Amino acid sequence: QKEVEQDPGPLSVPEGAIVSLNCTYSNSAFQYFMWYRQYSRKGPELLMYTYSSGNKEDGRFTAQVDKSSKYISLFIRDSQPSDSATYLCAMTRGGAQKLVFGQGTRLTINP
Amino acid sequence: NAGVTQTPKFQVLKTGQSMTLQCAQDMNHNSMYWYRQDPGMGLRLIYYSASEGTTDKGEVPNGYNVSRLNKREFSLRLESAAPSQTSVYFCASSGLQGISGNTIYFGEGSWLTVV
Repeated sequence: QKEVEQDPGPLSVPEGAIVSLNCTYSNSAFQYFMWYRQYSRKGPELLMYTYSSGNKEDGRFTAQVDKSSKYISLFIRDSQPSDSATYLCAMTRGGAQKLVFGQGTRLTINP
Repeated sequence: NAGVTQTPKFQVLKTGQSMTLQCAQDMNHNSMYWYRQDPGMGLRLIYYSASEGTTDKGEVPNGYNVSRLNKREFSLRLESAAPSQTSVYFCASSGLQGISGNTIYFGEGSWLTVV
């Protein structure tokens, strides 16, 4: 079993829809949770960063962490075609520990 | 400000050939990483360097070697390329050891095909 599981999709939704992307994990020691966005033929870029449990909002994006369920989510409101990309979750125990990535979910927003 | 720069962007190798992927960062970061990305596998860490002069194995180090040439540069070498090493390779860097509260920056990727 992988430490971090993420549905690879693909996920296709109409413009303006609310998108929900999710990851589950097995290591209860993870404390730092990230979402990266990766456009085609580009490197991943950090989108959201959360420490421990709770919610964090940044514009149209909300990251949610539920450590009791070992489940993290990224919500995109009022989705735009420019949000079409692969979204990767990542997490770490912190300190000098390395990031562990999910497989990535390919998202397409249709105009 | 270029961030993380890696070369070459595309390369085709024959089985058994060797090559080196170059990476440089201009953000004065201590830590540097090499990942590979394969369909359905996400990003997997090959090697990392927590600081100048140190290197450590990641999740999938077999078939690779690395050199932390100085604080800016971290190269990845394939001594005898195999078709299983066909992948997209990303170099990355971060300011602190690890990720605690700090962003990890990725390069644009190097597409490697071994035939």
